[in-house]
Amino acid sequence: AQTVTQSQPEMSVQEAETVTLSCTYDTSESDYYLFWYKQPPSRQMILVIRQEAYKQQNATENRFSVNFQKAAKSFSLKISDSQLGDAAMYFCAYRSLYNNNDMRFGAGTRLTVKP
Amino acid sequence: SQTIHQWPATLVQPVGSPLSLECTVEGTSNPNLYWYRQAAGRGLQLLFYSVGIGQISSEVPQNLSASRPQDRQFILSSKKLLLSDSGFYLCATDPPGLGTDTQYFGPGTRLTVL
Repeated sequence: AQTVTQSQPEMSVQEAETVTLSCTYDTSESDYYLFWYKQPPSRQMILVIRQEAYKQQNATENRFSVNFQKAAKSFSLKISDSQLGDAAMYFCAYRSLYNNNDMRFGAGTRLTVKP
Repeated sequence: SQTIHQWPATLVQPVGSPLSLECTVEGTSNPNLYWYRQAAGRGLQLLFYSVGIGQISSEVPQNLSASRPQDRQFILSSKKLLLSDSGFYLCATDPPGLGTDTQYFGPGTRLTVL
């Protein structure tokens, strides 16, 4: 079974600085999708960034980028120029390419941004 | 792009009472639909998913059930709530077919069972 592990329950960053959130996963599949979702206090789950496993190039969305290491099964999220609005719970997620109902989430990392 | 509505936003119910949470989707046809539960301070647990009207698959044994009476309507129900049913319930959707990637979530329903 696929599992997703976020080893950092809480992280803190100074405004305008850079922070990296860690995520590792376990799978026997060769093709899959990986995601980072943000959940602010409103609890709406918002997609931050996605990565297809067959693509070697790391995904980037404005200030958000990932470091995807397929062999190490690692998928970290880097937030550059952190803003107060980035404060939220961040969830890493894995989705099977072959089984739509197989989507696994990590336990989350709570990010605090200090002014 | 699709829009997901969930109703109600907040609900407080006594133990043993029935439950009905509704999810409706706009802007897409024949979507895949999902119900997740998020316990306090934890990640998401998939409860049910549906690939079409009347087609429901359960991931976790529980006293909850789901139904899909219309293409873009997904309902989560219980005949008798337990204290352990408290949590945040999220409906999600993605386009029809296999190999679709990104799930999009509704605003959620916060359920408190007393």
